[in-house]
Amino acid sequence: DTTVKQNPRYKLARVGKPVNLICSQTMNHDTMYWYQKKPNQAPKLLLFYYDKILNREADTFEKFQSSRPNNSFCSLYIGSAGLEYSAMYLCASSAGQRNTGQLYFGEGSKLTVL
Amino acid sequence: GEQVEQLPSILRVQEGSSASINCSYEDSASNYFPWYKQEPGENPKLIIDIRSNMERKQIQELIVLLDKKAKRFSLHITDTQPGDSAMYFCAASKGTGSKLSFGKGAKLTVSP
Repeated sequence: DTTVKQNPRYKLARVGKPVNLICSQTMNHDTMYWYQKKPNQAPKLLLFYYDKILNREADTFEKFQSSRPNNSFCSLYIGSAGLEYSAMYLCASSAGQRNTGQLYFGEGSKLTVL
Repeated sequence: GEQVEQLPSILRVQEGSSASINCSYEDSASNYFPWYKQEPGENPKLIIDIRSNMERKQIQELIVLLDKKAKRFSLHITDTQPGDSAMYFCAASKGTGSKLSFGKGAKLTVSP
């Protein structure tokens, strides 16, 4: 099974409210990523976990939190959503150095902040 | 991080013709260049990739060319079919397992 599951697929949130997005994979991949995709923009890497080590991009460091309670699950947490957070959030996983580095993407979670 | 430019952003072709999408990158240390296809409502999927030790790679109707000197790479789809209609993203990284930097994507529409 090479699928990455994301929940919810669609999320409506009010400005200032928290948002929690969930991702899971059963491929035993050591690396899991979160990308933000807005229309007409490239997918932007927000953060990634290599095993238990979280790496956050410098320009999104304070805006997004994440946790990885076990190898299969990874969450993306927004403490206080702003209008600019409206986007598609793509989770992906890879086996890191152990294979070609291919990313397996989930179907995305579309967040709309009102 | 690495910046990847992708053009065109929209591409419309007739069935049976070829389609080309071009990408450029900035960091000469980048050595892995995958292409992802995203069909409507689906997740992006890897369709072909090329590493810096190659200049050309072909999988069926997909051809990828890499020009390391010019820091450009391109995807060519020969004999396009309506099923090739999708968003195509190029990406670059400094090696396996390294984070990928993506282009903005190209929306290909193949008309019957």
